[in-house]
Order: sequence, then structure tokens, then C-alpha cells
Amino acid sequence: DGGITQSPKYLFRKEGQNVTLSCEQNLNHDAMYWYRQDPGQGLRLIYYSQIVNDFQKGDIAEGYSVSREKKESFPLTVTSAQKNPTAFYLCASSSGWGQETQYFGPGTRLLVL
Amino acid sequence: GESVGLHLPTLSVQEGDNSIINCAYSNSASDYFIWYKQESGKGPQFIIDIRSNMDKRQGQRVTVLLNKTVKHLSLQIAATQPGDSAVYFCAEEPSGYSGGGADGLTFGKGTHLIIQP
Repeated sequence: DGGITQSPKYLFRKEGQNVTLSCEQNLNHDAMYWYRQDPGQGLRLIYYSQIVNDFQKGDIAEGYSVSREKKESFPLTVTSAQKNPTAFYLCASSSGWGQETQYFGPGTRLLVL
Repeated sequence: GESVGLHLPTLSVQEGDNSIINCAYSNSASDYFIWYKQESGKGPQFIIDIRSNMDKRQGQRVTVLLNKTVKHLSLQIAATQPGDSAVYFCAEEPSGYSGGGADGLTFGKGTHLIIQP
């Protein structure tokens, strides 16, 4: 998985609960990304960060929040405002921004109880 | 090839045969392309990339072909092995992307490669 770790592997969320997915990379990459993957679908961008202390909304940011306080860490919080959170969440990183290969972590599967 | 439907297209090949997975892209401004392999329950794994100034690039047992005229990308896998069974995604990125907004890599829905013994 190229030096990118995600935890936990499986996560269960109760109604109205916020949950946080961890993503850490030791590749010294500047850019990090969060994607959501639904069955039979391509990856959809939730949030991305080009550099520490900066992040931008992707295509489907509603109901999610992120922080980028450290270069190696980019946690994603799935808030209670996200009404359909069940999905496979993938974190990625790239050395730079713009036409750089993105390398992915192993993913976290989020399920709603 | 890639599909806009809910179900992944499937390609079934015999072990040892060559596989060709196709991808049609829509953005004529795209000039960077990547192929990823995703095994069940795992994150996508980088296979090979190509930029628009090339029409062919080879890796270990894999070749990517780019036809900009018809906006078509293909991944060829030589001597397919059981470990090649996975979903294969193409991704494209336009030139001049500065990061302002939700551009960057756009992923296809994938093709499921099944290896027959």
C-alpha cells in the first residue's frame, strides 16, 4: 500500500454519530486526498489538500470535514449530516499537485448500524 | 470497456492469454492517464501511466496504448495470471490543472477482469 495507512479497516456508525477515519503517509508527500467508492462506481473526490494547513472541497464534500495539521496526516470526519455514509473510503497521496501519480491506502469500509 | 451503467463490465480470459482492457475518455483536454488495479476489499494499486506526448508505454507484462484522435486508452496484460484478477480503472487528468476546484484525476467505473483456469 505504498506507505499509506488507513484505520480502522471497518467502522460502524450509529445514527447521528460523527466518526473519524484516519489516514497517515510516510512518503513525504505534499498532497493528500479522500475518495468515496460505492459498489460498481468510480472514485468520487470528497476533499483534497495540496499542502499542510490547507484543504479544498471536492465533488461531494457535503456531510464531511477534514483537517491537515501535519504533513503526514489527513483525517476525515463523517458527520451526522451525511445521510448515506455507507461506502468504501480511500485515502491517497501524491508528491506534488497536478498530473502526479496518486498512491492509495488500503481503505476503510464504513457501515451504518 | 468503461461503462456509465451501474454494473461493471466484465472481461473473462483464459489463463495464459493476453488481456486487453479498454477505456474511453471524454475530456479532450486530458493529457495524463493512469491505470490502476483494485483487488477486492483493497485500495487501488498503480500499474502504469502515460502522458499525451506518447502513444505507447510498456511496463512489466503491461502495455498502455493511447489514441488521442478517438480518445481511447487501453491496457494490455500479457500472459494473464490468476493474480491479475481484479477491477481495472483508468483515470485521466487535463492539462493546466492548477488545483482550484474539483478537477484533477477523473476515474472511470472500472472493468472486472476474470481469469478462467
